[in-house]
Amino acid sequence: TQLLEQSPQFLSIQEGENLTVYCNSSSVFSSLQWYRQEPGEGPVLLVTVVTGGEVKKLKRLTFQFGDARKDSSLHITAAQPGDTGLYLCAGRSNDYKLSFGAGTTVTVRA
Amino acid sequence: EAGVTQFPSHSVIEKGQTVTLRCDPISGHDNLYWYRRVMGKEIKFLLHFVKESKQDESGMPNNRFLAERTGGTYSTLKVQPAELEDSGVYFCASSQEAGGFSYYGYTFGSGTRLTVV
Repeated sequence: TQLLEQSPQFLSIQEGENLTVYCNSSSVFSSLQWYRQEPGEGPVLLVTVVTGGEVKKLKRLTFQFGDARKDSSLHITAAQPGDTGLYLCAGRSNDYKLSFGAGTTVTVRA
Repeated sequence: EAGVTQFPSHSVIEKGQTVTLRCDPISGHDNLYWYRRVMGKEIKFLLHFVKESKQDESGMPNNRFLAERTGGTYSTLKVQPAELEDSGVYFCASSQEAGGFSYYGYTFGSGTRLTVV
C-alpha cells in the first residue's frame, strides 16, 4: 500500500510557466521532505517541513505542509529548464523511516 | 566532504547468482540506510543501521538479502541467490543526527542499478 500519492505523475511545461506538484496521504506525518532526483543520481533534499500549515520558500520554489500534516505541495514559479527532474515527497511517521511517493517527472521546455 | 559512495554503479547478473553491493557513508555518520526502487514503484525502505547494529530490518524482502556493517563504517548488501524480481535501483543513505531522524535529510548515494536476467 502506497502511503503517499503524488500528482501529477508527469508534467511538461514551457519555460516561464508556473507548476504545482501535490503529495497527499491519509496518514499523518511528523514531517515531510521534498527531494529532487536527476537521472543516474540519488535523491537530493530540497526542504523539510515539520509544522502543520508551514510554508517554506527556496528561491522560486514554495513548499507547503497541510494543516493536518497529511499533505503537501510544491509550487515552482517561472520554471526554468534547470528545474527539470524527478520530484519526490517523503514522509516520516513516528520513526526514522521515510515513506516515498512515486514521484513527479517535471520537464521544462526552453 | 565526500558524499555517500556506492559501487558498483551497475550490475547485471544471472538468476541464481550472488551479488554484493557496497556503500561508504559520509564519515562520522552513524546512521546508514538501504532503500530500493523497483521499476514503476516508489522508493522503499529496506533497513537501518546505527553504527554496526541493525536498528530495523523490517523492509528486507526475504532471507536472500543480508546486510552487514562491520565496524560501523561501510556497509554491504548481499543478495544470494538473486531472483528476477530483485532487479531495481538500490540506494544507500546516511545521516548524522541522533535517533536516526535528520531534519536536514539523508544524503543519498547515486545508487546501484541491479539487473537480474
